[in-house]
Amino acid sequence: AQSVAQPEDQVNVAEGNPLTVKCTYSVSGNPYLFWYVQYPNRGLQFLLKYITGDNLVKGSYGFEAEFNKSQTSFHLKKPSALVSDSALYFCAVRDGNYQLIWGAGTKLIIKP
Amino acid sequence: NAGVTQTPKFRILKIGQSMTLQCTQDMNHNYMYWYRQDPGMGLKLIYYSVGAGITDKGEVPNGYNVSRSTTEDFPLRLELAAPSQTSVYFCASTKSLRDNQPQHFGDGTRLSIL
Repeated sequence: AQSVAQPEDQVNVAEGNPLTVKCTYSVSGNPYLFWYVQYPNRGLQFLLKYITGDNLVKGSYGFEAEFNKSQTSFHLKKPSALVSDSALYFCAVRDGNYQLIWGAGTKLIIKP
Repeated sequence: NAGVTQTPKFRILKIGQSMTLQCTQDMNHNYMYWYRQDPGMGLKLIYYSVGAGITDKGEVPNGYNVSRSTTEDFPLRLELAAPSQTSVYFCASTKSLRDNQPQHFGDGTRLSIL
């Protein structure tokens, strides 16, 4: 069965430093992976997705994600964090029924 | 650009009461979803619909019902509210499943059952 794990409940980063939010997955077949962001009292917003092709995927707000097939990972990255990046981040994988299986979420806190 | 609109934003119910959470989208998306979000648990799929007149159960459908009479609307019904249904409910829609199109979310309904 498909699954996705976000091993960190919370990540703390100083403003201006690079950030990484981790995601690992388990799928049968080709993985289709997504990152979404949730700001307080709002719905989730799509950031980026990996379907096929380049292992480095670029998305909204300066975020990118690195797909690593051998490590079954899809970590979210940003070279220089902003305070406004503080939010809840969700990784998801598409299952065989074309539904999304969601990770538990990682709270990202960027300190000034 | 309205996107996905959910009403109400907040609601407090007593045990045993019923209510309908409304969801409408103006993007002409065929696929619509209801999720619940509990702290530290991610999103759990309650019901989904692939088009008007077609609905199917997700991972956690017990205690809920849905209908899809139009492309735009996908209401979620709680018949006998229970404390375990205290959660934040999100409606989402997408243009295509097979093409991996992103899901668009409403801002949620925060529901407390007391």
